[in-house]
Amino acid sequence: IAGITQAPTSQILAAGRRMTLRCTQDMRHNAMYWYRQDLGLGLRLIHYSNTAGTTGKGEVPDGYSVSRANTDDFPLTLASAVPSQTSVYFCASSAGTPDSGANVLTFGAGSRLTVL
Amino acid sequence: GQNIDQPTEMTATEGAIVQINCTYQTSGFNGLFWYQQHAGEAPTFLSYNVLDGLEEKGRFSSFLSRSKGYSYLLLKELQMKDSASYLCAVKDSNYQLIWGAGTKLIIKP
Repeated sequence: IAGITQAPTSQILAAGRRMTLRCTQDMRHNAMYWYRQDLGLGLRLIHYSNTAGTTGKGEVPDGYSVSRANTDDFPLTLASAVPSQTSVYFCASSAGTPDSGANVLTFGAGSRLTVL
Repeated sequence: GQNIDQPTEMTATEGAIVQINCTYQTSGFNGLFWYQQHAGEAPTFLSYNVLDGLEEKGRFSSFLSRSKGYSYLLLKELQMKDSASYLCAVKDSNYQLIWGAGTKLIIKP
């Protein structure tokens, strides 16, 4: 089934540890995104990539990094995790770029991260 | 600042109609989206409005008034499976999506 695969589904992590959340899509979508979702808040964009080889900062990029070596993969790395990074992380993709009309997002199932 | 307001929670009865409102204040407007998110799952796309008026798609309809900064999602013939959170999002002048916190809809038999 075409879509987005995220891993791990859930992880408990000690503060200060490095963690990479994986995201792979098989739809050949150009753009990919990482969001975090916290109770009582709307989805917040962390980083995005409009095409392979390019990345950009979203609303809350501090403490996170991304890479886009190819079309399919868009990993998110927490270099040194802190408790405020406890959240549910969603990877998403879209066929076009944000300035292209409706540009509907397809989301992965999410990765629940707890930093102690 | 930019802001999207939605009710936190709503309750409705199976078979009835419910309207979920969304008001927004953003720097520019390039479209409004509604997504559905079941508990513990990914958001999925429901509707997109860029011009004023009503867009109907089966049991779901979405309305937009750009002059009022207002949209609503109308769900008819409610089913138990419609129990979910409904997320309103606006694309601003920089083509960035601004998301509301979502409205949790509880359907009672």
